[in-house]
Amino acid sequence: GIQVEQSPPDLILQEGANSTLRCNFSDSVNNLQWFHQNPWGQLINLFYIPSGTKQNGRLSATTVATERYSLLYISSSQTTDSGVYFCAVEGLYNTDKLIFGTGTRLQVFP
Amino acid sequence: GAVVSQHPSWVICKSGTSVKIECRSLDFQATTMFWYRQFPKQSLMLMATSNEGSKATYEQGVEKDKFLINHASLTLSTLTVTSAHPEDSSFYICSAPGPNIQYFGAGTRLSVL
Repeated sequence: GIQVEQSPPDLILQEGANSTLRCNFSDSVNNLQWFHQNPWGQLINLFYIPSGTKQNGRLSATTVATERYSLLYISSSQTTDSGVYFCAVEGLYNTDKLIFGTGTRLQVFP
Repeated sequence: GAVVSQHPSWVICKSGTSVKIECRSLDFQATTMFWYRQFPKQSLMLMATSNEGSKATYEQGVEKDKFLINHASLTLSTLTVTSAHPEDSSFYICSAPGPNIQYFGAGTRLSVL
C-alpha cells in the first residue's frame, strides 16, 4: 500500500516564526488533505489539495503530484497553531480510503 | 458544512465488557464510513470500511470478531469493541466521505481497566 512520510516529526517554534512541513507519498494519489489535530483529538480540515497551491490566511499548501510530495507553510505562527499536523492521501484505486502520514508535532511557545 | 457526530466522546469500562461507539452523519447520507484507531503519539490507522447494507471490510491485522461494525442506515455506523481488554484502550475516530474531502467525528477515547 501507499506509504506516507512526514517531516520533521517534531518542531518547536517561537511565536512569530515561519515553518514548512513536508509530506512524501510513495504512489500516485487521487486526493490529499492536510489536517490539524487539536489537543482534544479533533481533526480539523485545513486543505484539500491533490495538486497545485492554496492559501487560507496564514496557512498555505502546495502539492507537486508528479514528484509525490506536498508542503504546508505556516507563517507568523501562534501558540494556537500547536498540535499535530497530518497529511492523508487517497490512492488511485482505493476510492475515499484515506491513509494518514506519520504526523508532525508542532509546539509554538510565546 | 457537513457534520459527523460521534458518541460517546469518552468511555471507561471494565475488562471483558463490550462497548458500542456510534458515528452519525448529521446532514448528509453516507453509504460508506471509516473507522480509525489512534494510539498515543501515533498516527491514525484505518481499521475498517463500514458499508451500508453489507459487511464491513477490515484492514489486515484487525480482528473482525472483536471489532463488530454495523451500518444499518445511511446515516449511522456503529463500532462495538467486544470483550474489551486494556490493550484496546485507544482513541477511535470515524469519518464519512463528502464531496472531495472526508469529514471526521470528534473521536471516542476508550479506557479499559
